[in-house]
Amino acid sequence: EAQVTQNPRYLITVTGKKLTVTCSQNMNHEYMSWYRQDPGLGLRQIYYSMNVEVTDKGDVPEGYKVSRKEKRNFPLILESPSPNQTSLYFCASSPLGPGEQYFGPGTRLTVT
Amino acid sequence: KNEVEQSPQNLTAQEGEFITINCSYSVGISALHWLQQHPGGGIVSLFMLSSGKKKHGRLIATINIQEKHSSLHITASHPRDSAVYICAVMRRGGSNYKLTFGKGTLLTVNP
Repeated sequence: EAQVTQNPRYLITVTGKKLTVTCSQNMNHEYMSWYRQDPGLGLRQIYYSMNVEVTDKGDVPEGYKVSRKEKRNFPLILESPSPNQTSLYFCASSPLGPGEQYFGPGTRLTVT
Repeated sequence: KNEVEQSPQNLTAQEGEFITINCSYSVGISALHWLQQHPGGGIVSLFMLSSGKKKHGRLIATINIQEKHSSLHITASHPRDSAVYICAVMRRGGSNYKLTFGKGTLLTVNP
């Protein structure tokens, strides 16, 4: 089944403790992206990747890192999480560029 | 002012009604997306369009590039259409692409 998977789905952590949210797609898509969704602010793009080893900042990249070492995986790294990174995170992929995207199920992150 | 504005923010309809959700934007774009977010949180891409009109089942999306405006129409609405509908614009600068989203329209269709 074609899908985008994210892990973990739920995470509660403490300020400063490094964490990684994984994202994987099995559709051989070139484009992958991370978004965060917050009440009243909607979805905002964090980082995106046009292909392996090609990443670029979205609108809210501060406090996040990404890497794209292989086509299927696009992990989101929070080196030192802070409470303002408490949010619902979505990963998405599309075949070529940000076309019609396939979204992962979301990861709800709480930083205390 | 946000770059992408949706209206209305909330919309309640009776089953069978024709529904229109609007999206206006203030920047030059390469394409516009419509997304649907189900009550459980999952997001589905409905349309991507850069001109004219697209139709999929009971859903129709239109865009007017000159007026910087897009509409999503739902014909013969059904309670299962209840969801948040989100507009997003894609801006391209060289090899870079960015997506900027509207805040969404919460649609409730009552039986």
